[in-house]
Amino acid sequence: GDSVTQMEGPVTLSEEAFLTINCTYTATGYPSLFWYVQYPGEGLQLLLKATKADDKGSNKGFEATYRKETTSFHLEKGSVQVSDSAVYFCALSALSNTGKLIFGQGTTLQVKP
Amino acid sequence: EPEVTQTPSHQVTQMGQEVILRCVPISNHLYFYWYRQILGQKVEFLVSFYNNEISEKSEIFDDQFSVERPDGSNFTLKIRSTKLEDSAMYFCASSLNNEADTQYFGPGTRLTVL
Repeated sequence: GDSVTQMEGPVTLSEEAFLTINCTYTATGYPSLFWYVQYPGEGLQLLLKATKADDKGSNKGFEATYRKETTSFHLEKGSVQVSDSAVYFCALSALSNTGKLIFGQGTTLQVKP
Repeated sequence: EPEVTQTPSHQVTQMGQEVILRCVPISNHLYFYWYRQILGQKVEFLVSFYNNEISEKSEIFDDQFSVERPDGSNFTLKIRSTKLEDSAMYFCASSLNNEADTQYFGPGTRLTVL
């Protein structure tokens, strides 16, 4: 079945460092791909999405490109801030037409000043 | 900005008891979902709901679970007879459309079964 695999965390970076969180997926067809972020004590918020191959999603300095050939959707940011500390979830929308999201295990990012 | 709300934020119950988790989705949304996250594990899909019926459910969503939209604004998840392994954070979400549309999540209800 469809699945999403994220790099293990936690990831600890200093402020202004470059961030990459790897995400790969297995799916039939070409699902839509998402990154959600969960700040402490809050629900999940959509960070960015891409709906077809080679699309680049971007928001708040974060970017991810839908790579069909490597079935990947890695999250990047050029310069992280302390306020980016959160849990990041990669997800795909299954092609069942019901909106079901399949999530990766989440990656905790801690940014130190 | 409209948001999804959930009540209660934390529910403690005894094994075998029934619980109802409540959600108020965004008012013009048409698709509704429940997910759960057991501590330290990934977020798992439970059920999707559209046009007053379940459109998809996972293997987790067995006969002990049910969902309802009783009054056009609330969306509830009922667990008939709770088990220890039902302890988790339960998230409600809603979207205007399905598939690639953004799902808006509530803050979650932490369910603890003793």
